[in-house]
Amino acid sequence: NAGVTQTPKFRVLKTGQSMTLLCAQDMNHEYMYWYRQDPGMGLRLIHYSVGEGTTAKGEVPDGYNVSRLKKQNFLLGLESAAPSQTSVYFCASSPHRGGGPVYEQYFGPGTRLTVT
Amino acid sequence: QKEVEQDPGPLSVPEGAIVSLNCTYSNSAFQYFMWYRQYSRKGPELLMYTYSSGNKEDGRFTAQVDKSSKYISLFIRDSQPSDSATYLCAMSGILTGGGNKLTFGTGTQLKVEL
Repeated sequence: NAGVTQTPKFRVLKTGQSMTLLCAQDMNHEYMYWYRQDPGMGLRLIHYSVGEGTTAKGEVPDGYNVSRLKKQNFLLGLESAAPSQTSVYFCASSPHRGGGPVYEQYFGPGTRLTVT
Repeated sequence: QKEVEQDPGPLSVPEGAIVSLNCTYSNSAFQYFMWYRQYSRKGPELLMYTYSSGNKEDGRFTAQVDKSSKYISLFIRDSQPSDSATYLCAMSGILTGGGNKLTFGTGTQLKVEL
């Protein structure tokens, strides 16, 4: 199993450009998440999905959109990139526990994005 | 004030030392307490989790939770250079509709020197 994979690994954008980050998981997990990691701020949740066709906002959703058309994929879009979106982006997934507690999340290797 | 506070370090110790990493939190609703390890330019990976107050041991690692003080710790015995990484504490709540909301500390950078 590849686990959680992210594409691309690195990207440099100019202000105002758009792009899509792709996350794929092969563990048949129900839940998927997008985080950004910034120095001194830790990991912050951008958007998440509790199943195919569903999305919801996390702590820092502004400037981002997401889609989950297939269970294994979770896309993060930047419509008009800004320098404040320079960050490392991580995707994660976690299994459904049949109503029981869910705690672990499995992370991808990250995408390093620079907006100039 | 952040919900989870963690000293960013860096922390440098000699090989074989006992390492103590700590986090404090303010939200009593947190249910699970986790430690993630993140190597440079990699994604975080779950190291240990605990559900209730007390200790949990896994090899050289011991996780400790004190809910009354809202304080969690990770101890690493006989530290090795391969333990050099950033250690993130994380606390779990419930997201609307399911899934778990992890609130992370900022991470403590650890370097174990030969």
